[in-house]
Amino acid sequence: EDQVTQSPEALRLQEGESSSLNCSYTVSGLRGLFWYRQDPGKGPEFLFTLYSAGEEKEKERLKATLTKKESFLHITAPKPEDSATYLCAVRSMEYGNKLVFGAGTILRVKS
Amino acid sequence: DTAVSQTPKYLVTQMGNDKSIKCEQNLGHDTMYWYKQDSKKFLKIMFSYNNKELIINETVPNRFSPKSPDKAHLNLHINSLELGDSAVYFCASSPTSRGEAFFGQGTRLTVV
Repeated sequence: EDQVTQSPEALRLQEGESSSLNCSYTVSGLRGLFWYRQDPGKGPEFLFTLYSAGEEKEKERLKATLTKKESFLHITAPKPEDSATYLCAVRSMEYGNKLVFGAGTILRVKS
Repeated sequence: DTAVSQTPKYLVTQMGNDKSIKCEQNLGHDTMYWYKQDSKKFLKIMFSYNNKELIINETVPNRFSPKSPDKAHLNLHINSLELGDSAVYFCASSPTSRGEAFFGQGTRLTVV
């Protein structure tokens, strides 16, 4: 069973069309949920860390939230420069604190 | 610039060769990692070092051998390269073994 599942696999939005990306996890003993952005040909760029249910973090047009089973990355009024692959990862006691990644959501924002 | 830097960025080599990828971080972090990103863009951990000590060693062929000469460096040596080793390899570091990881720009390895 996958420990971290991201949906949708791909998402196309018009500029200004707000939406959300989902990251669900099945690990126990969560020690942190991390969101990254990855542009083609580059390494993942750290965005947010969430540690406990109810926690929220914001950065420009992005807002990350966390529940006991999933996290959402809300994108408000996206711009073409927000196009990238968004990766979710978790650390847990169950898996020895290693960072386990989901498969990512490819976001394309058209002007 | 403070960063995680790895070299080379591209590496094309023949089957059976031995190659190394170097990684350095000047962020003052205690923990360093090697990740492999396959053709489906899935990132999977290979190794993790904390203060030069190996703490995570995933099911990786013995042909892959990490080496950490000091806290700021983690190199990856690969023996007898195979076609299936073709992937992008990322080095990363984190302040502790539990914090967020910061990644290098990746090394695209192509085995022909």
